[in-house]
Formats: sequence, C-alpha cells, structure tokens
Amino acid sequence: ETGVTQSPTHLIKTRGQQVTLRCSSQSGHNTVSWYQQALGQGPQFIFQYYREEENGRGNFPPRFSGLQFPNYSSELNVNALELDDSALYLCASTTGLRGANYGYTFGSGTRLTVV
Amino acid sequence: QQQVKQSPQSLIVQKGGISIINCAYENTAFDYFPWYQQFPGKGPALLIAIRPDVSEKKEGRFTISFNKSAKQFSLHIMDSQPGDSATYFCAVGGGSNYKLTFGKGTLLTVNP
Repeated sequence: ETGVTQSPTHLIKTRGQQVTLRCSSQSGHNTVSWYQQALGQGPQFIFQYYREEENGRGNFPPRFSGLQFPNYSSELNVNALELDDSALYLCASTTGLRGANYGYTFGSGTRLTVV
Repeated sequence: QQQVKQSPQSLIVQKGGISIINCAYENTAFDYFPWYQQFPGKGPALLIAIRPDVSEKKEGRFTISFNKSAKQFSLHIMDSQPGDSATYFCAVGGGSNYKLTFGKGTLLTVNP
C-alpha cells in the first residue's frame, strides 16, 4: 500500500505565472484535500474533493482551483501567482464525505517559491 | 478570529522528561481532535486523535487529555526522546466541517 505522492517536490515560479501541482492519493482513498503551509505556520485548508467534486473550500481566492480524476488523483492549479503564494502545498487523502474526520494521510508536499 | 490556540510556541525538554503541549478551541461543534507530528521536509503525520466522548486516550508514550467544559486538550509525551524532536500541531475538525483547522505549531527539541 503506497502513501500520498506529490510532484514536483520543489518549484520556482515568477510572479504572474501559473502552476500545477499533482497528487496521487493513498490506495483506497476517495477524498483529497489540499492545504497551504506558510513558513512557521500550521497548514491552512484550501479545498477538498470527494469523488471528483469539490465539496468544501477554505478562504482562498478563485485563482486557486483544482481537479480530482476518476482514479482519485488530484491537481491544484494556481493562476496569477503572487509572492505570498510561496509556501509548502500539502495534499492529504482519506475516505468519506467529511474526510477530515477520519484521519488524513499527508504527502511530503511541494515547496513553491514565487520570485 | 483564531479558532485554535496552541502553546507553547517552542519547548525544550531533556531526554526522559515529559513534554506537554496545549490547545484551546472555541467552537463547541468540533468533535475530532488530532495531533500531528511534522519533521523538516515532510508532511504532517497523524500521531493520535480523540473524540469528545472520552477524557483521555493513550497510545504508547503519547497521551491526549481532553477537557470538554474548558474547550482544551493537550498532548503529553512521556519519556521524551531526541527522535521526538519535531514540530507538533493540534487540529480541530468535525461537525459540518470538511476541513481541519490547525494550530500554529510547537517546535519540540529533546536534548540528549
């Protein structure tokens, strides 16, 4: 049984560019959530996908969007990158509609630096 | 409004000592209270979690104490080891929430 895999591990982008981050969820998990973790802070919820539909969203602007595919892997897209978007982006998978209540498995994250 | 307040921000403990980290929350609708451990360059890993129907849960050297009336819960690490040196996050979830709300973290250093 594999865990949560994220790619790439590190990324440097220029302000105004667009970025796509990828996540393969743990086998058997149908819920994927994305979190942003700024340096020295706790993770902050971006959104959650359950069976390919977004069913929860945090306080992030619409330029943060996502997808979940039939195999339950997921993408996080960020348009018009800003310097404050520099952070560790974490993908977490679990099962169930209210996934957070059942214990996440987190990936190791993608470190995004916007210059 | 900060929904989860975690303290202390950092903690230094000698090997074999007890590490105690505290969290306070505001919304009584929460019913899931996990602690996560994060090493540098890694994602958070679930350490132990509790539901509000019990006041204490123990797994090995790790214990959660839960005080529903005070809206507080804490993590106790017994016989702390240098390998426990990491950042610890409390979180709250449940009710109609789809998400976990995390505290700001506690950097634990266990000296040999």
